[in-house]
Amino acid sequence: DAGVIQSPRHEVTEMGQEVTLRCKPISGHNSLFWYRQTMMRGLELLIYFNNNVPIDDSGMPEDRFSAKMPNASFSTLKIQPSEPRDSAVYFCASRGDRYYEQYFGPGTRLTVT
Amino acid sequence: LAKTTQPISMDSYEGQEVNITCSHNNIATNDYITWYQQFPSQGPRFIIQGYKTKVTNEVASLFIPADRKSSTLSLPRVSLSDTAVYYCLVGPQRGFQKLVFGTGTRLLVSP
Repeated sequence: DAGVIQSPRHEVTEMGQEVTLRCKPISGHNSLFWYRQTMMRGLELLIYFNNNVPIDDSGMPEDRFSAKMPNASFSTLKIQPSEPRDSAVYFCASRGDRYYEQYFGPGTRLTVT
Repeated sequence: LAKTTQPISMDSYEGQEVNITCSHNNIATNDYITWYQQFPSQGPRFIIQGYKTKVTNEVASLFIPADRKSSTLSLPRVSLSDTAVYYCLVGPQRGFQKLVFGTGTRLLVSP
């Protein structure tokens, strides 16, 4: 398996623009997680899905953020409108049967100017 | 997940053994101890989990004393490529559905 795939790897956009981050989990994994990492706040869980259903979105910063998982092999994290404080590395992770073992993607480095 | 305390940073040299200790005084009976590793510019990676005594795999060893209030991740003969941040997480198996990463320990291995 290729592991968790994220795209784009880098995104530079201007404040106010819509940003869409994409994730393809490992085949067969039934849980998917979105994290954000910054120097100031460390690694934060934004939202996670079990069997394509959002379970906990308490980490989503505000209404500008939304996440979807239309099927078992694809998820998106959208920011609209984007702001400079959204600049961070966004990771997607997926998990199979072992609760403690999540597999992280390479991340998307987002810069909002 | 239970609160954990670990050193912010550690320095070592190639070939040395590195031991990173994590304190978890409030660990519960059904809690497990899990360690993740994050290389620069990559996502975290699971490396080891244990409940008591000692666990060893191809990457590291995990030592857990009888009272389980702390644990030590041991990396034998580190190399430059072991430079990473190491996170200790403690919680019940199902609690790991929602990983909560602290600040971790930043290990720098020098030549």
